[in-house]
Amino acid sequence: EVQVVESGGGLVQPGGSLRLSCAASGFTFSDHSMDWVRRAPGKGLEWVGRSRDKSNSYTTEYAPSVKGRFTISRDDSKNLLYLQMNSLKTEDTAVYYCASLVSDIWGQGTMVTVS
Amino acid sequence: DIQMTQSPSAMSASVGDRVTITCRASHGIGNSLAWYQQKPRKVPKRLIYDASNLESGVPSRFSASGSGAEFTFTISSLQPEDFATYFCLQHSNYPRTFGQGTKVEIK
Repeated sequence: EVQVVESGGGLVQPGGSLRLSCAASGFTFSDHSMDWVRRAPGKGLEWVGRSRDKSNSYTTEYAPSVKGRFTISRDDSKNLLYLQMNSLKTEDTAVYYCASLVSDIWGQGTMVTVS
Repeated sequence: DIQMTQSPSAMSASVGDRVTITCRASHGIGNSLAWYQQKPRKVPKRLIYDASNLESGVPSRFSASGSGAEFTFTISSLQPEDFATYFCLQHSNYPRTFGQGTKVEIK
């Protein structure tokens, strides 16, 4: 079964840090670009960033709202994607989804509350 | 950055109604647009890819059209299970950007 499962969400104070993890299974993770997408309470979906796949040198892209504060990395040997979030702001409060937008694979999301 | 302006932001409709949602891009994006459905406490589900192509298994009452900067998403006959929020997503440029969403509610 193709799936991704996020973990690591929780409550953090403004200015703090948090690292989210995403465990992938059922597909060739190393062949997939992977994204983080979030949805704040009462708001719409917001793309956070992408880690391209091995064939694209694992390069990354970020939304302007998180660039310089968030870092996406991956460990293909463990089928894991990470989102390191630093200098968190109250407006980063959201459900964070790990996804492959190209292949329409989504996790159930993990809640991050900055308060 | 490409801004996606989606309208309406919300609408009330009845079962059997025809529903139309539009997304306008601030710059031309070719056909690099997808449409998603998200129900409460569920993950988004892609219904349409490359502006007009129906995902496998998605009912044919869903359709979409457009290219360049103007896109339309249509539900031909709204069903009870279609009450949800719908989003467009442009994947032509980085950063990827979603429309603000359209919440389709029961009239």
